[in-house]
Amino acid sequence: DAGVIQSPRHEVTEMGQEVTLRCKPISGHNSLFWYRQTMMRGLELLIYFNNNVPIDDSGMPEDRFSAKMPNASFSTLKIQPSEPRDSAVYFCASSAKQNSYEQYFGPGTRLTVT
Amino acid sequence: DQQVKQNSPSLSVQEGRISILNCDYTNSMFDYFLWYKKYPAEGPTFLISISSIKDKNEDGRFTVFLNKSAKHLSLHIVPSQPGDSAVYFCAASAFNNNNDMRFGAGTRLTVKP
Repeated sequence: DAGVIQSPRHEVTEMGQEVTLRCKPISGHNSLFWYRQTMMRGLELLIYFNNNVPIDDSGMPEDRFSAKMPNASFSTLKIQPSEPRDSAVYFCASSAKQNSYEQYFGPGTRLTVT
Repeated sequence: DQQVKQNSPSLSVQEGRISILNCDYTNSMFDYFLWYKKYPAEGPTFLISISSIKDKNEDGRFTVFLNKSAKHLSLHIVPSQPGDSAVYFCAASAFNNNNDMRFGAGTRLTVKP
């Protein structure tokens, strides 16, 4: 299995632009998680899905952030408009069943907003 | 609010010696704890875990200790190897909501040859 796939690996954009991050979970996994990593706060859970349904989005910083999972093999995290403080590494992870402790992470997308 | 804290951002040890990484948590509802390891340009990978019904779990060179009364856990690596150099994240979750995992800020371990 190829593992969790994220694209792009690096994204540099200007403030105010829309940014879309993409994730393909491991086939057969039915839970998907979006995290943001910063130096100060470590890994923060933004949102997670079970069976394509958003379960908890309380970690999403503000309305500029949105996430979708139109099917079991694809999810997007969108930031519109982007701001410099959104610069971070964004990870997607998936797990095999609901309430599974072990999550498998993708390589991350490093976002830089100038 | 940082419910999981790793107060040491970095740690350096000599090859062959013991590495001890520490983690503290504040939420008494947490009952499952994990350590993840992260190499540069890669996502974190699961390393070892422990349930709150135990106080120790060992897997090869890696041992995790849990002190529930102190809300503290630690990861011991013995003997440390240069390939262990990575960022280690502590994570915790509650039984009734174990999709919601809280991570610490990470500790960068450097093992010198």
